[in-house]
Formats: sequence, C-alpha cells, structure tokens
Amino acid sequence: GAVVSQHPSWVICKSGTSVKIECRSLDFQATTMFWYRQFPKQSLMLMATSNEGSKATYEQGVEKDKFLINHASLTLSTLTVTSAHPEDSSFYICSANLGAGEKLFFGSGTQLSVL
Amino acid sequence: RKEVEQDPGPFNVPEGATVAFNCTYSNSASQSFFWYRQDCRKEPKLLMSVYSSGNEDGRFTAQLNRASQYISLLIRDSKLSDSATYLCVVKNRDGGFKTIFGAGTRLFVKA
Repeated sequence: GAVVSQHPSWVICKSGTSVKIECRSLDFQATTMFWYRQFPKQSLMLMATSNEGSKATYEQGVEKDKFLINHASLTLSTLTVTSAHPEDSSFYICSANLGAGEKLFFGSGTQLSVL
Repeated sequence: RKEVEQDPGPFNVPEGATVAFNCTYSNSASQSFFWYRQDCRKEPKLLMSVYSSGNEDGRFTAQLNRASQYISLLIRDSKLSDSATYLCVVKNRDGGFKTIFGAGTRLFVKA
C-alpha cells in the first residue's frame, strides 16, 4: 500500500535555530501534501496544504514566514520551522492523499522539542 | 462551535465491555467520514470509513446519520489493545478536499 515517510522522528534543538522536517511519498506521486501540528491531548490541527510546484496554502493563524513549506517534487515536501521557540514544541505530522476523497496516508510524525 | 465534536474522554472500561463513541459535524456538505485510531506520539491509522448504510468490521461498527450530522463507533468485546485515542474525521469539499479532525476520545481498557 501507499507509504509516506517522514523524518526525523524527533528533534531537540536550541531556541532560535531552524529545523527542517521531510515528508516523502514512497510509492506514489503526491501533488498535495498536508502538514499538521498536534499539541499534547489535543487534536491534529491542519497548518498548511503543500502544493507541488506552487505556493503552499496556509490555514488562518499560521505564520507562513515561520513555517516554510517547499514542495519541489511530486514525492517530497519539507517543513522548516524557522527560529524555533519553546512554544513551537509539538508533534508535527504530514500526510498525503492518493487522490481526491481518498483516505489519508500519514508520515510517522516528528516530535520537536525546543529548549 | 468546532466543526467536528466528539465525546469528551477518557473512557475507562473493563475488558469485554462494549463502548460507543459519538461524533457530530457542523458542515452539512461534508463528503466523507472516517474513524482513525491514534496511539500516543504515533501517526493516526485508519480504522474504518463510515457509510450511510452503516458498516461493520469484526468487533467494530460504524454508523452515519446525515440528517442528524452524527457519526458513531461501537466497539464490542473490548481488548486491552483497543486502548488508544479514537479520532472522528470528516472530509469537506472546500475548494479541494479539506480534512477536519475531531479532538479525539481516549479509551482505556483495563484487565
């Protein structure tokens, strides 16, 4: 079945540094990928929709200059958390559809801890 | 009001119990409905899609009532391994398909 690979699984970094998270579709092409954030005991919140070859679409309240998304190929989307701060510590997870209306395939998630 | 609302948890049940989760959604134009299971610090995994006719997969039964905008999940004969958070998920066609997650209901099954 379709597989989405995400890495790293966890990151610990100092405040002020930037962190890049990669999301790859391994056996299918994903023109659209989704980035979510999940705080403890809360649901997944969609941050942005990553579109191959064009700009990402950000949800209301998500800073596009802080969370940089690049979707340069049909199998790779990256999320860069720039100048990370402790409040950015969260579980970040990506997903992709095989097609419109189809179920989502999730990456394994990245736990970011900013000290 | 949240677009997808679920029962607040946690549910604590003994092994073998039957447990029911409820979910309501606010967008009457919602297209697709799912239940996902999420273990702590892991990615959500699809448990089952939900159809208007109702569907069953082993010990799990899902129901959808479009008129009431209500979705349910029934787990029979609970196992310890069923302990997880159950997410109600709705897909809307809002200029492309947007997936909305409920906050999830935590289930603890005890021996």
